[in-house]
Amino acid sequence: DAMVIQNPRYQVTQFGKPVTLSCSQTLNHNVMYWYQQKSSQAPKLLFHYYDKDFNNEADTPDNFQSRRPNTSFCFLDIRSPGLGDAAMYLCATSSAPAGVLGGIQYFGAGTRLSVL
Amino acid sequence: AQTVTQSQPEMSVQEAETVTLSCTYDTSESDYYLFWYKQPPSRQMILVIRQEAYKQQNATENRFSVNFQKAAKSFSLKISDSQLGDAAMYFCASMYSGGGADGLTFGKGTHLIIQP
Repeated sequence: DAMVIQNPRYQVTQFGKPVTLSCSQTLNHNVMYWYQQKSSQAPKLLFHYYDKDFNNEADTPDNFQSRRPNTSFCFLDIRSPGLGDAAMYLCATSSAPAGVLGGIQYFGAGTRLSVL
Repeated sequence: AQTVTQSQPEMSVQEAETVTLSCTYDTSESDYYLFWYKQPPSRQMILVIRQEAYKQQNATENRFSVNFQKAAKSFSLKISDSQLGDAAMYFCASMYSGGGADGLTFGKGTHLIIQP
C-alpha cells in the first residue's frame, strides 16, 4: 500500500563521500519534492520537479543535486556530505495543477542520513 | 516569502479530552492553502486537514477542526476526544496556491503527548 517509498530508511556515509537517496511513487503524480528536516527544525524545501522541469530553491547549497529519470523515481545526490548535512530527508509528491485536491502532498517515511 | 510559527513545542492532553494547537503565519499572497500534517514517530507525514484561504468556513475532518482567522493570520487545530493514536508531531504549513506546484512552508512543529 505504500505510495511514496524512500530507500534506504537509514543511511550512514563518511564525510565527503558522495551519497544518493532514492524515492519512488505509485501515485503517478507529476510533481516530486525533496525536503530536509534537521532535528527540532521545520522541514525545509530543497527543490522539486514539476514533470521534467527542475526547480531549485534559492538557498539550496550546490552540494545538493537531484535527478528524475522518469515519473516514478527521483533521486537526491549529495556530492560531498558535511557534518551539517546530517538530517532526515523527506520525499513528497503532488498532482499539479492544483484542482480539487490542490496542494496536498504525500510523503514518504524519510531517509535519516548520518555523516561520520 | 511565507513564514509559519508554532509557539508550542510540546502539548499534553488527557485521553478523551480536547486540545488546541496554535499556528500563525505570514504571507504576502492572496491565494494560499493552509495545512496541518501529522508525523508519528518513525512514520511518514500524513495530512490531517486542509483549508483554502478564500473559504471562510472552517474545515472539519471528523474529530479534527480548525479555527481559521484570516485577518489575524491564525490557523489553530482542535482535536476533540483525543486518542492514544493522536500522539505525534504536528506541523502547520502553508503553500501558495497560484503556482500549482509550490512547496510547503512548515512551522517547527508541536509534539503532542496523549496521557492515558
